Amino acid sequence: KAGVTQTPRYLIKTRGQQVTLSCSPISGHRSVSWYQQTPGQGLQFLFEYFSETQRNKGNFPGRFSGRQFSNSRSEMNVSTLELGDSALYLCASSLLPSGGPYNEQFFGPGTRLTVL
Amino acid sequence: AQKVTQAQTEISVVEKEDVTLDCVYETRDTTYYLFWYKQPPSGELVFLIRRNSFDEQNEISGRYSWNFQKSTSSFNFTITASQVVDSAVYFCALSEGATGNQFYFGTGTSLTVIP
Repeated sequence: KAGVTQTPRYLIKTRGQQVTLSCSPISGHRSVSWYQQTPGQGLQFLFEYFSETQRNKGNFPGRFSGRQFSNSRSEMNVSTLELGDSALYLCASSLLPSGGPYNEQFFGPGTRLTVL
Repeated sequence: AQKVTQAQTEISVVEKEDVTLDCVYETRDTTYYLFWYKQPPSGELVFLIRRNSFDEQNEISGRYSWNFQKSTSSFNFTITASQVVDSAVYFCALSEGATGNQFYFGTGTSLTVIP
């Protein structure tokens, strides 16, 4: 079974631009969560999607948004990039949403975003 | 307040030594789930174990063992006879059952195993 895939793996953007990251979950998994990982803040939860609906959102500004498609693939968008958005963005999929059984999350390799 | 605390930021051990990584959690839910993940230098988090709050039985998997104690809200992880390949950052995480809105990750413990 293929794991979680994320594209692109590396991305360099400049301040003010926008970026879209993609995540394909493990086949059959319907829940996708996004995290931002930085050396200073650690792993911070961005949002979780299940069956195309955003279940909840972390404490990030509205510049961070996402969506999930009917095939469970998810995209994350960051608009008006700032230097502080430079981070590793991780996507995780699980069979069912967090908070219940079968909720162990399996992570992708991440997208390394650098904002210049 | 932090829901998951990993007080050890960095640990170094010599190969073949045993090492325990501490994790303390905080929740008011009676149903919750605890996890450990490993993040090697390559960056991808690897799922190690999941425990639910109703199962306090300790678990052993090869050189890995986990000690879950609800009385002290701890879920510690021990590696026996450590190896260089165990060098990684280890994260403890909590998912609450009632609200179940997200995973809360600790800040991670960086383990270096010296050959």
